[in-house]
Amino acid sequence: DSGVTQTPKHLITATGQRVTLRCSPRSGDLSVYWYQQSLDQGLQFLIQYYNGEERAKGNILERFSAQQFPDLHSELNLSSLELGDSALYFCASSVATEDYEQYFGPGTRLTVT
Amino acid sequence: SQKIEQNSEALNIQEGKTATLTCNYTNYSPAYLQWYRQDPGRGPVFLLLIRENEKEKRKERLKVTFDTTLKQSLFHITASQPADSATYLCALDGSFKTIFGAGTRLFVKA
Repeated sequence: DSGVTQTPKHLITATGQRVTLRCSPRSGDLSVYWYQQSLDQGLQFLIQYYNGEERAKGNILERFSAQQFPDLHSELNLSSLELGDSALYFCASSVATEDYEQYFGPGTRLTVT
Repeated sequence: SQKIEQNSEALNIQEGKTATLTCNYTNYSPAYLQWYRQDPGRGPVFLLLIRENEKEKRKERLKVTFDTTLKQSLFHITASQPADSATYLCALDGSFKTIFGAGTRLFVKA
């Protein structure tokens, strides 16, 4: 158990809908990262927050947004969902912004039908 | 753009042997590199981090080398066991972004 929690574990929704994925980092970790993993793309970095502020952006679509709250939990919002958004979404946390290992949550499996 | 290449083919080895996995990168000079293990349907688990000024790092049966001239890292598992069967990912860090390789699947046969 990494200490990072993600909810929900599974999510099935229809195209065009909007969903919110939630992540609670390990106690004491200030950085939160979001990743998307699909079969043909591997693990893709989406976005990173550090202590409530956006720190880095990767290949995140405009339909996706995220935020980190004062209690350090983070939410990833996915809207206007398409079939291609079906994937495993992982959240990870680390102590600081870089030069520290990342601890991954169990992931949320999103299926868009 | 930055690119990471790992052996796309699965690596099959016999129990007790040493497994060696390769990670090559281009168009980048990372300050450090990490290795993770991932089991099917689960989140990656951190194994080792090596910095650019370190040539080698060890942890129990694991060893990582980092050659900044060759732009390559090697990951070794000695005395491999069937429980080591998993996908191993290397990741580059720097410029506030983390880039993961596609991973190499390792199968250790008893």
